[in-house]
Amino acid sequence: QKEVEQNSGPLSVPEGAIASLNCTYSDRVSQSFFWYRQYSGKSPELIMSIYSNGDKEDGRFTAQLNKASQYVSLLIRDSQPSDSATYLCAVNIGPGTYKYIFGTGTRLKVLA
Amino acid sequence: DAGITQSPRHKVTETGTPVTLRCHQTENHRYMYWYRQDPGHGLRLIHYSYGVKDTDKGEVSDGYSVSRSKTEDFLLTLESATSSQTSVYFCAISEPGDTQYFGPGTRLTVL
Repeated sequence: QKEVEQNSGPLSVPEGAIASLNCTYSDRVSQSFFWYRQYSGKSPELIMSIYSNGDKEDGRFTAQLNKASQYVSLLIRDSQPSDSATYLCAVNIGPGTYKYIFGTGTRLKVLA
Repeated sequence: DAGITQSPRHKVTETGTPVTLRCHQTENHRYMYWYRQDPGHGLRLIHYSYGVKDTDKGEVSDGYSVSRSKTEDFLLTLESATSSQTSVYFCAISEPGDTQYFGPGTRLTVL
């Protein structure tokens, strides 16, 4: 069973701090990795995608991928109360395939 | 929502009735998906389509059927709704291996 694991949280951080969200996956052939943000009652929206080992930065967000250790993380710098949401990690297995496996999400609370 | 609409957005129905949910895209993406999202289970794939009239089952396909007669439309049908199918249903689109984009969701309640 291919799996994507996330700590369900809630992860509580003070406003202005760095929030660190982690995700591990079991399938070594996974090729593409995605972080989605989902506000309560809304649909998932893409935050970051990452395809190769290392860091990828976009504004306050940094995705980190380590394929050898099979984990992907998302750092949110200068966290804001508006970042409070559930963050979903998703993994696409194999090149050009349909299959995406989602974690159950980590709930982030940014305290003002 | 990346040119994806779902209808209806909310529906309440009774056990045993058929229900059809519609997903419409304007992005001309090849792949379309139906997921359900339930507390503690995350997003689970029901069915997906890789082209017109080309569909296949996901991990929770029992009790559901799908059809795709046009690139832009993907229908999900609950043949005879049960209370266990009360959920939030999301449609998604993608190109193979690329980012999935999600529709706004349909909240379905089966009484």
